[in-house]
Amino acid sequence: GENVEQHPSTLSVQEGDSAVIKCTYSDSASNYFPWYKQELGKGPQLIIDIRSNVGEKKDQRIAVTLNKTAKHFSLHITETQPEDSAVYFCAAREGGGGADGLTFGKGTHLIIQP
Amino acid sequence: NAGVTQTPKFQVLKTGQSMTLQCAQDMNHEYMSWYRQDPGMGLRLIHYSVGAGITDQGEVPNGYNVSRSTTEDFPLRLLSAAPSQTSVYFCASSRTTTSYEQYFGPGTRLTVT
Repeated sequence: GENVEQHPSTLSVQEGDSAVIKCTYSDSASNYFPWYKQELGKGPQLIIDIRSNVGEKKDQRIAVTLNKTAKHFSLHITETQPEDSAVYFCAAREGGGGADGLTFGKGTHLIIQP
Repeated sequence: NAGVTQTPKFQVLKTGQSMTLQCAQDMNHEYMSWYRQDPGMGLRLIHYSVGAGITDQGEVPNGYNVSRSTTEDFPLRLLSAAPSQTSVYFCASSRTTTSYEQYFGPGTRLTVT
């Protein structure tokens, strides 16, 4: 099955700086890579995703890059703000359908220092 | 739309007790799933359903049962609770089995003493 590694487990950045979270996956058949943001006491919320036929995707201050050859993908947050403080999870899903669900990384606690 | 709803928000059980965690969605989604979230472990898939009457096991199914009698509801049953089942449980749904985006409920925090 798929295995997703996520680093770092905790990331502290100054407000206004950029933050980068990295994930690697093991199954070359995986073709969908979402990123979820989880605020305290809430369920994960999808913030951006990328499919294996695309190398980069941007949505305002957040972007995701994918390197299929190296089997890694990254989340980039620019101009960080206090409301970006949360736990972020990367995930991967194998091709052929969603029946087996997502395989998640263990999460990164992002702390934005004022 | 309310999206994905879960009840209760919090629950404390004693070892050996049984209970059902409720999950409902009002988006007419075919696919529903249950995950558990433990500190430092991310989210792990317990059971999933690709439609009414069809369920299957995920990564960590032992100690849990599910059923899907309607499209809207997907309850998770703990038959005999154990301390190892202390966790936060999330229900999720997506439009079809091959749809990419999953929507998560707010979670149920379960403590087994």
